[in-house]
Amino acid sequence: DARVTQTPRHKVTEMGQEVTMRCQPILGHNTVFWYRQTMMQGLELLAYFRNRAPLDDSGMPKDRFSAEMPDATLATLKIQPSEPRDSAVYFCASGLVIVQKYYNEQFFGPGTRLTVL
Amino acid sequence: EDQVTQSPEALRLQEGESSSLNCSYTVSGLRGLFWYRQDPGKGPEFLFTLYSAGEEKEKERLKATLTKKESFLHITAPKPEDSATYLCAVQARNRDDKIIFGKGTRLHILP
Repeated sequence: DARVTQTPRHKVTEMGQEVTMRCQPILGHNTVFWYRQTMMQGLELLAYFRNRAPLDDSGMPKDRFSAEMPDATLATLKIQPSEPRDSAVYFCASGLVIVQKYYNEQFFGPGTRLTVL
Repeated sequence: EDQVTQSPEALRLQEGESSSLNCSYTVSGLRGLFWYRQDPGKGPEFLFTLYSAGEEKEKERLKATLTKKESFLHITAPKPEDSATYLCAVQARNRDDKIIFGKGTRLHILP
């Protein structure tokens, strides 16, 4: 049963600390997305990759957030330094784009619940 | 500005009471519209993709329809297990194919 995995599931940290979240997309998927979900803003797209290349990261604060795909089985989202306003649930999703630019189903991971004190 | 608005924010129905959820969108070019279901503490789960006005898709008690300005998710004779938050999202052609989510409709089906 293929699924997207994310680690850690929960993270509590203090303001100013570095946070790294990891995602393993479904094998064979060529597109990976990072989202942030809060009660106020809902689900917001932070960054996404196609064939490991970053397509867009305009949704995330550049000065503190960074997203990478070191290889096809791992995507990372880092926050340095973290701030209380970064507290949210962070989701990774993967999908397969067959017809150029037309997305279909995205498979979401279980999320990382981040609390910054 | 590209926008996705879902209504109502919350909906309580009796078991068996059919209703519809609305997703209205304003984008310069639509590549696709998506419906997801999200249970508490979990990631969204894909339901449907609609690509063009007039298209309809069905899955069990759910039916999604699409016009040029909005989409409806019709729920027929719902059961308590249909309780969840339903999210609508659009892929906007003119925003580098970004995906924009609405804030969702929280649906609660009373037994």
